[in-house]
Amino acid sequence: GQSLEQPSEVTAVEGAIVQINCTYQTSGFYGLSWYQQHDGGAPTFLSYNALDGLEETGRFSSFLSRSDSYGYLLLQELQMKDSASYFCAVRALLGGSQGNLIFGKGTKLSVKP
Amino acid sequence: DAGVIQSPRHEVTEMGQEVTLRCKPISGHDYLFWYRQTMMRGLELLIYFNNNVPIDDSGMPEDRFSAKMPNASFSTLKIQPSEPRDSAVYFCASSFMGQGNYEQYFGPGTRLTVT
Repeated sequence: GQSLEQPSEVTAVEGAIVQINCTYQTSGFYGLSWYQQHDGGAPTFLSYNALDGLEETGRFSSFLSRSDSYGYLLLQELQMKDSASYFCAVRALLGGSQGNLIFGKGTKLSVKP
Repeated sequence: DAGVIQSPRHEVTEMGQEVTLRCKPISGHDYLFWYRQTMMRGLELLIYFNNNVPIDDSGMPEDRFSAKMPNASFSTLKIQPSEPRDSAVYFCASSFMGQGNYEQYFGPGTRLTVT
């Protein structure tokens, strides 16, 4: 079967660094994505890793280790507006198509002043 | 581009009624996804289409749910008859396979309440 594990909640203070981990178990793995969702909003794309290593986009970075079936999202210089839920999602081969994503349950990040 | 468009944004209906949710994907995208989100179950994929063809509907809860994509610019998700446990936010998303990052673009969602 397919499964993703990520912490349900994380709390950090403004200006700090936080890492949200994601472990996955799936067949036909093609890549790991991260999405952000504010309360009442829609998920929005943050990053995608197809190869091992670190991808940096501004204050956010995402890491993937295919051999460990593990990835993380690193948020630096936390701001209050970063308070949101963060989802990891695996792109897997399902139904004969590579276009599908399997989402984790999400990690609710609370940034405190 | 206006992004993915969903209607209605909010729907309140009584148990037993038919509900139809609508989605207009981003022009040029070849994948369309329907998701349901609840506190208990998180974000669940219901069904997805590739070039208007349903690829995987294994996430559709039961026969009360059906989805169609008659053309590249329109899709519907229908629930008949609706039940209180169908109350959730329903998202439509689209993507373009040629995009290297396989980003899915989500619509604003339809908040469905069945009383």
